[in-house]
Amino acid sequence: RKEVEQDPGPFNVPEGATVAFNCTYSNSASQSFFWYRQDCRKEPKLLMSVYSSGNEDGRFTAQLNRASQYISLLIRDSKLSDSATYLCVVRMNYGGSQGNLIFGKGTKLSVKP
Amino acid sequence: GAVVSQHPSWVICKSGTSVKIECRSLDFQATTMFWYRQFPKQSLMLMATSNEGSKATYEQGVEKDKFLINHASLTLSTLTVTSAHPEDSSFYICSAWTLGSPLHFGNGTRLTVT
Repeated sequence: RKEVEQDPGPFNVPEGATVAFNCTYSNSASQSFFWYRQDCRKEPKLLMSVYSSGNEDGRFTAQLNRASQYISLLIRDSKLSDSATYLCVVRMNYGGSQGNLIFGKGTKLSVKP
Repeated sequence: GAVVSQHPSWVICKSGTSVKIECRSLDFQATTMFWYRQFPKQSLMLMATSNEGSKATYEQGVEKDKFLINHASLTLSTLTVTSAHPEDSSFYICSAWTLGSPLHFGNGTRLTVT
């Protein structure tokens, strides 16, 4: 089983739609969770951290369910500029691998006019 | 502004030559730097973890003699692709981290080996 799994998509949605991405992780010892956004041929950029209590940043809402080892990202009122690949990322904190991030393959979102 | 500077942004080289990529943390001291590789339509794959002053730890399947990593200071790590071949053509990205800070990525290096 892969460490971090995501639906690769692509998700093709109209502007203004609400879209949700899901992610599961296999290692219950995972400590920190993030959503990154990667535009084509660019480096990943941190979108938001994910906390157990759930957190919101504008149109973006992230949730974590540790018991189910499941992370989600909800985008409301999607914009054309939201088109990108969204990476689910898990950080392991153990021994010499402190800070090491495990990336999902990403879910591609395409927002159409 | 950029927190991590990666250079060069793109490079084209001939098969058999070596290419060096630099990764610099600009305004913080990075205890750990990571090197990733991303092939088209694939996810980022960790190649190696580099701690300042010690040997890099390579992921399974990554040849340490081919991908030489030097992390000589808290602000600089280099990746040298030795005897590059067309199959090494990829997008190489570094990231820098220290305790208490988020992970910062360089802007990546697109390597094309002809």
